[in-house]
Amino acid sequence: SAVISQKPSRDICQRGTSLTIQCQVDSQVTMMFWYRQQPGQSLTLIATANQGSEATYESGFVIDKFPISRPNLTFSTLTVSNMSPEDSSIYLCSVGLAGPGGYTFGSGTRLTVV
Amino acid sequence: DAKTTQPTSMDCAEGRAANLPCNHSTISGNEYVYWYRQIHSQGPQYIIHGLKNNETNEMASLIITEDRKSSTLILPHATLRDTAVYYCIVSSNTGNQFYFGTGTSLTVIP
Repeated sequence: SAVISQKPSRDICQRGTSLTIQCQVDSQVTMMFWYRQQPGQSLTLIATANQGSEATYESGFVIDKFPISRPNLTFSTLTVSNMSPEDSSIYLCSVGLAGPGGYTFGSGTRLTVV
Repeated sequence: DAKTTQPTSMDCAEGRAANLPCNHSTISGNEYVYWYRQIHSQGPQYIIHGLKNNETNEMASLIITEDRKSSTLILPHATLRDTAVYYCIVSSNTGNQFYFGTGTSLTVIP
């Protein structure tokens, strides 16, 4: 399985600012995904990060709020823009290898907006 | 959207088998059943997956009913470190998105 490095592991940010989260994978992967986990809740898929094209967003998530980059097959970033306290969550990167098998998740970025 | 339903919480005595059920009555023929767990403050960890046959690995066993509408994850000898939220997910393969349901919070009791 792939090994994921996600940075930062945690941050405290002022409302109205933006934070960019990085996801680095130790091997080339086709599929990369970004999730949000609000306090005490399950994981919610934000978007699929597509290499060479725009990300595909799930209902309720928009590019202006969560811009995503995927410059190559091993790296992606998620930006949380114009943050408010409601954006306080854990943000997780996930990757999947071709064929049936398990997805691997990063350890997450714990974001607190004050 | 998640296509699975699981009990919200379960308790299990340490050393006993933990049996976690999952209903996925709308599963398609090409969809696998995956199980993950999330220990507090960590990313989800893969446990096991299967299509229609029962599966076993070093962590757990997966029992899928013949009609594939439900499954059970079995942790044969639960330890305190197995206390976590367990998620059952159906997906056609790793080329498609994973949608998480609410999961089952398992507490292993000494």
